[in-house]
Amino acid sequence: QKEVEQNSGPLSVPEGAIASLNCTYSDRVSQSFFWYRQYSGKSPELIMSIYSNGDKEDGRFTAQLNKASQYVSLLIRDSQPSDSATYLCAVNPSPSGGSYIPTFGRGTSLIVHP
Amino acid sequence: EAQVTQNPRYLITVTGKKLTVTCSQNMNHEYMSWYRQDPGLGLRQIYYSMNVEVTDKGDVPEGYKVSRKEKRNFPLILESPSPNQTSLYFCASSPQPERTGLWAEAFFGQGTRLTVV
Repeated sequence: QKEVEQNSGPLSVPEGAIASLNCTYSDRVSQSFFWYRQYSGKSPELIMSIYSNGDKEDGRFTAQLNKASQYVSLLIRDSQPSDSATYLCAVNPSPSGGSYIPTFGRGTSLIVHP
Repeated sequence: EAQVTQNPRYLITVTGKKLTVTCSQNMNHEYMSWYRQDPGLGLRQIYYSMNVEVTDKGDVPEGYKVSRKEKRNFPLILESPSPNQTSLYFCASSPQPERTGLWAEAFFGQGTRLTVV
């Protein structure tokens, strides 16, 4: 069973701080990694995608991938109360491995307090 | 506007009464899928479709059917709903993996909150 593990939280940070969200995955052949933000009762929306080892920055968001350690993280700088949501880590396998089913983590709840 | 549209958004039904949740996308994506989301269990894939007339089971297919007669539509059918199918359902679409084998992100519909009593 392929697994994607996230700490459920809640992770509570003050406004303006850096929020660090972590995700580990079990399937070594995974190639595509995504972070989604989901507000309560709403659909997931893409925050970041990353495919190669290292860091990828987009505005206040930085995704970090370490395939050797099977670890992907999301950093949110200058956190705002509007960032309060559940963050889902998603891992897609390599299609060449015959799998077309992505695996989602259960999400980490982030609370940014003023 | 690129979007995935689900209908209905909310549905309350009784055990055993067949229902269909529709899903349509306007991005010409080959890959479409259905998920259910339950507290503490996260998003779990029910069925997926790689293209027209090509469907396959996800992680939790029991009690569900799908069809893909057209590229843009991927309805979810519950032939005989039961209370354990009460959940929040999402349809999603993505382009096929590129030649490099990399998936692009999934676009999700607005969700359908289903209650079976």
